[in-house]
Amino acid sequence: QKEVEQNSGPLSVPEGAIASLNCTYSDRGSQSFFWYRQYSGKSPELIMFIYSNGDKEDGRFTAQLNKASQYVSLLIRDSQPSDSATYLCAVNTLNTNAGKSTFGDGTTLTVKP
Amino acid sequence: ETGVTQSPTHLIKTRGQQVTLRCSSQSGHNTVSWYQQALGQGPQFIFQYYREEENGRGNFPPRFSGLQFPNYSSELNVNALELDDSALYLCASRSPSDGGNYGYTFGSGTRLTVV
Repeated sequence: QKEVEQNSGPLSVPEGAIASLNCTYSDRGSQSFFWYRQYSGKSPELIMFIYSNGDKEDGRFTAQLNKASQYVSLLIRDSQPSDSATYLCAVNTLNTNAGKSTFGDGTTLTVKP
Repeated sequence: ETGVTQSPTHLIKTRGQQVTLRCSSQSGHNTVSWYQQALGQGPQFIFQYYREEENGRGNFPPRFSGLQFPNYSSELNVNALELDDSALYLCASRSPSDGGNYGYTFGSGTRLTVV
């Protein structure tokens, strides 16, 4: 079992729809959770971080965390073609800058005009 | 200075050779990590440096080594290159505290091809 699991996709949604990306993790000691966006041929870019159970909203993005279920998700509202990318979930066991991140293999999202 | 800069952007090496990749981290970021990303996979943690000391290492053999310099720039060295070392190598830096955000700022990466 991988430490961080994501559906590889591809996930395809029409423009304007809500895209839902899911991630599960195996280490119950995990404390901080991140979503990165990676365009093809580019490096990952941090878009959201969440540390507490519940929802965290930032513009069109909402991160959701459920530590009891070891589950974190990313919702993208009003999806745009420019959101087409691979989304990487990352998990840290420490809530400091000393902790390393363990990444999933990513979910590829395609937003169709 | 802003951003994380990596060099070179692309590199082709022959199996058995040695390679050095360089990273200049973002101003104020005293933690630098190196990741290897194979095609179609997520980044895999190689090691991390904090104030010039290695303070974490992933499941990579000793032929992967690194350095961090007083100005927080960093090097990744790989000896005895193997074909499976072909990947995108990412340098990632992090500040001590950025509003509670402990996420990474990644460089643009070095694409290494071993032939």
